[in-house]
Amino acid sequence: DTGVSQDPRHKITKRGQNVTFRCDPISEHNRLYWYRQTLGQGPEFLTYFQNEAQLEKSRLLSDRFSAERPKGSFSTLEIQRTEQGDSAMYLCASSLAFGGVNTEAFFGQGTRLTVV
Amino acid sequence: TQLLEQSPQFLSIQEGENLTVYCNSSSVFSSLQWYRQEPGEGPVLLVTVVTGGEVKKLKRLTFQFGDARKDSSLHITAAQPGDTGLYLCAGLDTGRRALTFGSGTRLQVQP
Repeated sequence: DTGVSQDPRHKITKRGQNVTFRCDPISEHNRLYWYRQTLGQGPEFLTYFQNEAQLEKSRLLSDRFSAERPKGSFSTLEIQRTEQGDSAMYLCASSLAFGGVNTEAFFGQGTRLTVV
Repeated sequence: TQLLEQSPQFLSIQEGENLTVYCNSSSVFSSLQWYRQEPGEGPVLLVTVVTGGEVKKLKRLTFQFGDARKDSSLHITAAQPGDTGLYLCAGLDTGRRALTFGSGTRLQVQP
């Protein structure tokens, strides 16, 4: 396992289309996070999972966004009816949490979404 | 809402110069992490600081966590063009389980 993997790296879509991104975390990590980053800004938290349970969602995650982690391994982030404002880098990260301790989060290379 | 403010937002220096980047908050963090990000790539973890007053060194980079665990600094000695990138600090609060990021400091080191 070489790290967190995201697919695709780049996605161009027309406004109104649906898109889905995939994240494969580091295999032994039980926590998985999704962040969004726009140009010139730091990453903004969207949601996170512990195993298959989605434990927290940001207010940034509108009802057009849905994330799943069905088997506690890989995760998908779907955006329905995309808008130009959804254009951003979508980052996935994973970490290992045990006994109240949360280890460092490691990030994937991101999926750059452009809505035209 | 916790906020992490980074300063400066942008820094352009000559090779060989020293610099310090600051990360400040009014909130206490259980740990703070520094990342570096290249254009079009994800952030890469540089260091994690946990204890108030802790100092960690990574070659020419020195990281310090404030005594009250509300702020941190990154000092680079004799900067090189390879240090160019976006430096992000991110704090983890015991009450939340996801990192809160600062807006970053974009560093450009001219040869």
